[in-house]
Amino acid sequence: NAGVTQTPKFRVLKTGQSMTLLCAQDMNHEYMYWYRQDPGMGLRLIHYSVGEGTTAKGEVPDGYNVSRLKKQNFLLGLESAAPSQTSVYFCASIGSSYNEQFFGPGTRLTVL
Amino acid sequence: AQSVTQLDSHVSVSEGTPVLLRCNYSSSYSPSLFWYVQHPNKGLQLLLKYTSAATLVKGINGFEAEFKKSETSFHLTKPSAHMSDAAEYFCVVRINAGGTSYGKLTFGQGTILTVHP
Repeated sequence: NAGVTQTPKFRVLKTGQSMTLLCAQDMNHEYMYWYRQDPGMGLRLIHYSVGEGTTAKGEVPDGYNVSRLKKQNFLLGLESAAPSQTSVYFCASIGSSYNEQFFGPGTRLTVL
Repeated sequence: AQSVTQLDSHVSVSEGTPVLLRCNYSSSYSPSLFWYVQHPNKGLQLLLKYTSAATLVKGINGFEAEFKKSETSFHLTKPSAHMSDAAEYFCVVRINAGGTSYGKLTFGQGTILTVHP
C-alpha cells in the first residue's frame, strides 16, 4: 500500500514548455486534489475531482488543466509554463467518508 | 466561504518552554479543523483533527488543540518544545456542508516554529 505517489519529484522547465504531473493513489479514494504551495501562502487548491471522469476548478486554476481518466490517477498539466508557476505541487486524496486527506510527497517545479 | 488566519507567521521558543500557535477560522457551516506539520523539504503530516467530537483534541508528539466555537479559534499548544518540533505548521479548515464541499481544504498561511537550544 503506497498511499499517494507523485511523479516526478523534481523538474526544471523553460518558459513555454509543457509537462504533466502524475498523481496515483491505491486507496480507492473517490476525491483527488491538486494544490500548490508558495512561501507565506500555505497550500492553495488548483483543481479537484470527485470521481472518475469529473474535474472542477479550485482557487487558482488558471494555466493548468487536469484529467481523471482512471479513478486511481489524477493528472495535472501545464500547457505553456510560466515563471509564476514555479512552486511545490502536492496531490491529495480522500474517501467519501471524509476521513483524513492523504497527501503525496510533492513535486518541486522550477520554471526558468 | 471559509477562511483561516494564522496569527503569527513566525514563532520562536526555547527548548523546554511551551508552544502556542494561534489559528482563527471563519465558516458558515460546521467545520472540521486540522493541524498539519511540514519539516523542511518534506511533505505534510497530520498532527491532529477536530471533527465535532471532543473540543480538546490530542495529537501526535505531545501536541493538542482546543476548538472554541465562541472565539472561532483552534490554537495549537505543546507544554514543552523539543528541537525536533522546528518546522512549519498549517491550520486547515474543511467545511461540512452536506457533502457539497467535496472534502476541500482551506489552508492558513503557515507559522514557522523555531526552537532555540
